[in-house]
Amino acid sequence: DIVLTQAPLSVSVTPGESASISCRSSKSLLSSKGITSLYWYLQRPGKSPQLLIYQMSNLASGVPDRFSSSGSETDFTLKISKVETEDVGVYYCGHRLEYPNTFGAGTKLELK
Amino acid sequence: EVQLVESGGGLVQPGRSLKLSCVASGFTFNNYWMTWIRQAPGKGLEWVASITNTGGSTYYPDSVKGRFTISRDNAKSTLYLQMNSLRSEDTATYYCTRATYYWGQGVMVTVSS
Repeated sequence: DIVLTQAPLSVSVTPGESASISCRSSKSLLSSKGITSLYWYLQRPGKSPQLLIYQMSNLASGVPDRFSSSGSETDFTLKISKVETEDVGVYYCGHRLEYPNTFGAGTKLELK
Repeated sequence: EVQLVESGGGLVQPGRSLKLSCVASGFTFNNYWMTWIRQAPGKGLEWVASITNTGGSTYYPDSVKGRFTISRDNAKSTLYLQMNSLRSEDTATYYCTRATYYWGQGVMVTVSS
């Protein structure tokens, strides 16, 4: 199974500043079709997860462009610029390259 | 607007069965693969099952293979998860998702005697 390792496990950010979350994969997530199968999700407190980023760098519908993602085949970074109150929650990376699909353990973002 | 509404959760004894349902609306259901994801209390996300748009193929992790069955009724725009031989470690909130792009509100399943 592909293991996704997130870092840090928690991050505390001053509103208006930036935050970065890392996700490292135990295997290349580049598919034979040239698509990098890495996804980012946000789960706000008490809510269902929501998709933020698909296929490594594409912003999901309705997601503000303060969110961005980049990476290689195995190392990925989610960046949140100008963090706002609504960004508080747990961020997960996940892949859909093969079965089983797996997720990282999550990174909790809180405000200072 | 895409909506996914789960139902069927509750408290069940170990070894018993439960069937979850998810009614979809706001999109052409039979065009999309569907997936169940679960989250144990205070824990992370775990993929549980996926099904192709026609229902012709299904996929499971080893943790539920042979015990859980995902199915769909495209005429009713409804996704199902039949869960048999339930264990305490199956206790979780179960989310119906359209290939993780859209998520339902979740339904709680508690396996306990």
